[in-house]
Amino acid sequence: DGGITQSPKYLFRKEGQNVTLSCEQNLNHDAMYWYRQDPGQGLRLIYYSQIVNDFQKGDIAEGYSVSREKKESFPLTVTSAQKNPTAFYLCASSGPRVTQYFGPGTRLLVL
Amino acid sequence: ILNVEQSPQSLHVQEGDSTNFTCSFPSSNFYALHWYRWETAKSPEALFVMTLNGDEKKKGRISATLNTKEGYSYLYIKGSQPEDSATYLCAYLGQAGTALIFGKGTTLSVSS
Repeated sequence: DGGITQSPKYLFRKEGQNVTLSCEQNLNHDAMYWYRQDPGQGLRLIYYSQIVNDFQKGDIAEGYSVSREKKESFPLTVTSAQKNPTAFYLCASSGPRVTQYFGPGTRLLVL
Repeated sequence: ILNVEQSPQSLHVQEGDSTNFTCSFPSSNFYALHWYRWETAKSPEALFVMTLNGDEKKKGRISATLNTKEGYSYLYIKGSQPEDSATYLCAYLGQAGTALIFGKGTTLSVSS
């Protein structure tokens, strides 16, 4: 089945710890995106990548880092610099028509 | 920072009612306008991608219109059903090669 997978479904972070959220797609899409959703908020863009080995900051990139070493994978690291990391994180990918296909999401909680 | 506004924030209707929501976006630059449906415990799914002023799209009981000159799009649902209950997101793309900007969504609840 073609699609986007995210893991884990739930992730717990301790104070000062870096954690990495996984996002993999087998849709052969060039572009991939990371969004954050907080209660009462829309989807806010963290980072996006239009092509392998290149990525751009979104509106709320501070405290996050990404890599795009393979077309299929776009992991997001939540660093200790992100002071309010508790949120729902969605990964998406898109082909030439920019329609986005979303993964199931990861909920990050702070211990 | 570009703003995409959606109204109302939430809506509760009875089964069989027709309803509509609004998405407002910057009219100065325009490349595309997307609508997504996000059901609880699922991932957002694309409904429509609209690119031309005056575009009208339809999928079953759901349709959308686009006015790029004044910067708004309407989403209509005819004869709402309980399975239409979801959050409806619109997203604006100002130019190719950039990223979508999402509104906060309209949450629709349909009672039977």
